[in-house]
Amino acid sequence: GQQLNQSPQSMFIQEGEDVSMNCTSSSIFNTWLWYKQDPGEGPVLLIALYKAGELTSNGRLTAQFGITRKDSFLNISASIPSDVGIYFCAGRNYGGSQGNLIFGKGTKLSVKP
Amino acid sequence: NAGVTQTPKFQVLKTGQSMTLQCAQDMNHNSMYWYRQDPGMGLRLIYYSASEGTTDKGEVPNGYNVSRLNKREFSLRLESAAPSQTSVYFCASRETGGLTEAFFGQGTRLTVV
Repeated sequence: GQQLNQSPQSMFIQEGEDVSMNCTSSSIFNTWLWYKQDPGEGPVLLIALYKAGELTSNGRLTAQFGITRKDSFLNISASIPSDVGIYFCAGRNYGGSQGNLIFGKGTKLSVKP
Repeated sequence: NAGVTQTPKFQVLKTGQSMTLQCAQDMNHNSMYWYRQDPGMGLRLIYYSASEGTTDKGEVPNGYNVSRLNKREFSLRLESAAPSQTSVYFCASRETGGLTEAFFGQGTRLTVV
């Protein structure tokens, strides 16, 4: 089946630093999504990307849909303690299983004050 | 706004016991999903329902059954629980075809001993 490779698996950074994480796939996606999961909670959508090359921001977060449709990255600028959590990428195409999401394995972010 | 509500939040079962995880959404969404989350594995789709009255298998359906009781409710049943089903289970819903992405519940943490 399709797989997403998300990296890094974990990051431990100082407050104020910028963060970058990415996802790559062996197959093409028509949609890329980025979710954040706080401890004990369900994932919450951060950014949705629907067009190759699209660059979208949400506050300190910026994500891009790769031009090849096989990758996406998420940047967080000037990290703060509440950025702690697990970040998931997810991709969707419109073949096969009616456009269901495929999730990466997540990037666990820890922020040191 | 309740969004997606899952019950129970925590459950401990003995091997071989059965139980049903409940999920209800109040957003009038057509599509509903059940995922499981295991450490380092991301979210994997168990079953989904594209509309009331239909259900389909996802990536990891073995050992589970589902019922789309009505448009609001989508339940997941474990007929004979196994330790391998120890996981965190998430229900999600989405308005199929529109530019809305999945909303997740808070999860059910299940331990099978």
